[in-house]
Order: sequence, then C-alpha cells, then structure tokens
Amino acid sequence: GAGVSQSPSNKVTEKGKDVELRCDPISGHTALYWYRQSLGQGLEFLIYFQGNSAPDKSGLPSDRFSAERTGGSVSTLTIQRTQQEDSAVYLCASSRRDRVSTEAFFGQGTRLTVV
Amino acid sequence: AQSVAQPEDQVNVAEGNPLTVKCTYSVSGNPYLFWYVQYPNRGLQFLLKYITGDNLVKGSYGFEAEFNKSQTSFHLKKPSALVSDSALYFCATYKWEYSTLTFGKGTMLLVSP
Repeated sequence: GAGVSQSPSNKVTEKGKDVELRCDPISGHTALYWYRQSLGQGLEFLIYFQGNSAPDKSGLPSDRFSAERTGGSVSTLTIQRTQQEDSAVYLCASSRRDRVSTEAFFGQGTRLTVV
Repeated sequence: AQSVAQPEDQVNVAEGNPLTVKCTYSVSGNPYLFWYVQYPNRGLQFLLKYITGDNLVKGSYGFEAEFNKSQTSFHLKKPSALVSDSALYFCATYKWEYSTLTFGKGTMLLVSP
C-alpha cells in the first residue's frame, strides 16, 4: 500500500480482555517498529522486527505483551489481560533500513482504551 | 546507549517570528538524527534527517536543522513561523549498529496569530 496501515483505529475493551492490533507496513520495508504513546508522554519503544532476524523485544513492558510478524510483512501486537494502564495510542512504523533511506514511516495509530 | 533530549516541553512563538525547537544527542560515533512532527489526531510525519555531509539540513514545510557536533545538538529551526506549524515535534536518533529508533519526549510548538 501507499502507507503504513493500522487497524482498528480505535479500540475500547474491558479490563482483563485480550486485544490484537494489526499493522500492515509499506511494501518492501524490512524493518517494522511498534511504539506506544501515552497521554502527555513521549514515544515508548516496544518491539522491533528486521527481516528474518529475531525481534528486539527489549521494550515490551510485561509478558502480557507479545508481537509477531508473519512472512516478513504484516505484524500483530497482542495484549493479554488488558489493564487500564495499557490505554494509549499504539503506533507502528516501517522503514527500508538501508544506507540510503533510514527514515521511518508511521501509521495513524490505534487508540486503545481499557475500561 | 544512544539517546536524545528535548529540554523544552513547550515552545511558544508568534506567527512570523523565527522558531527554534531544541534537541541534544548522546551517541557515540556518528549518529543519524531525525525530526518528526505529529499534528493533532494524526500519525508522525518525517520532516528531515542528518546522516552525513552539510551540517545544515533542509526539510519539509520550510523547516531546517543544524547539526552541531561540538555541542551535540540538532536544533530544528524555521525563519518565519505559521499558525499551522503548531504541533508536537520529536527529535530521534538511529545508529546503524543498533536496532531501535530512539525518540525524545517531544516538544509542543504553539504558534499564536
């Protein structure tokens, strides 16, 4: 597609439920990032995928969070047993990550509200 | 570890005046530096980047940034601010050897008419 696509754009869920957030990166981009933006906060790195390498999961805040990337393209971020503090905008970005083009392109984000 | 710092939570400037949004970095070696902008209810948009070469980098919407190695800074500038420039601005750094794109906490720019 022309840009990074995220779905859903908004998600309201009850505390304790599981949620899945989807990211469809720009075609041909090998790098994919997930970030979390809480109200009044900066961008918190969650996880990074690069090609077929093992993902960098160092930013995941707890074992309730997991992510996968199938076929080197679409990624799904899963939050199990959601808590109110998980409420945030979840941003996905992709990039070519080569010597010429390193800038990341962001999706519109998924606004998650846990009630 | 690589990091960037944005010392100002908010910058206020009158329309038509020059603006500066500050960013300092802490990266060993030669960093890749970026500025992104986030307009209300929209995703982040790339503004400009410094990889190597000229210290003055020109980007989108009339913005530019100056890489200063001695001061480890990469301040974002614009000669004449517009009300429509009001947004949240993020400085970021990326180093080839590391995997993550690291962002500052953001600076809210408010341009008054």
